[in-house]
Amino acid sequence: GNSVTQMEGPVTLSEEAFLTINCTYTATGYPSLFWYVQYPGEGLQLLLKATKADDKGSNKGFEATYRKETTSFHLEKGSVQVSDSAVYFCALSQTSYDKVIFGPGTSLSVIP
Amino acid sequence: GAVVSQHPSRVICKSGTSVKIECRSLDFQATTMFWYRQFPKQSLMLMATSNEGSKATYEQGVEKDKFLINHASLTLSTLTVTSAHPEDSSFYICSARDPGTSPYNEQFFGPGTRLTVL
Repeated sequence: GNSVTQMEGPVTLSEEAFLTINCTYTATGYPSLFWYVQYPGEGLQLLLKATKADDKGSNKGFEATYRKETTSFHLEKGSVQVSDSAVYFCALSQTSYDKVIFGPGTSLSVIP
Repeated sequence: GAVVSQHPSRVICKSGTSVKIECRSLDFQATTMFWYRQFPKQSLMLMATSNEGSKATYEQGVEKDKFLINHASLTLSTLTVTSAHPEDSSFYICSARDPGTSPYNEQFFGPGTRLTVL
């Protein structure tokens, strides 16, 4: 079945460091891929998405590229801020009527 | 983007009582809404898919009689936790698709409801 795997957390970085959170998926065909962010005590917000191979999603300095050949959708940011501290979820959805499948989440803490 | 609200944001109840959580799509009509449960430091677990005007579809292992879902209108779905017990304490999150703006299955999430059963 479909699944999403993320790198183990928690991840702790200093402010202005480079961030990479790895995400790989298992699915048939061409699923849509998402990164969601959850700030402490809040629900989820869509951070970025990509709907076909080689698409790059970007938002708030974060980027992720849909790599069909490696079934990956790694999240990157060149310079993290303290306000980026949150839990990040990689997710996929197979069709227009299917549920979204989430990875386990990666907790990020950015220290001044 | 589309906005989804939940009410209440926090609720504390005694064991054996029932609690109702509301999920509303504020600026769009949602024929389908989803209910998730999240344990501390864990991912979201889909509990059920709520379809307007029909019965909800529950995921394997989720008790239908324990978690009652009603989707009576295109903007409102409710989750009722019946005869709540301490093990039902969790963070409950709903989501909805806006079919007009999310053809690629983007879901818009509510802020969540923290349920504590004493």
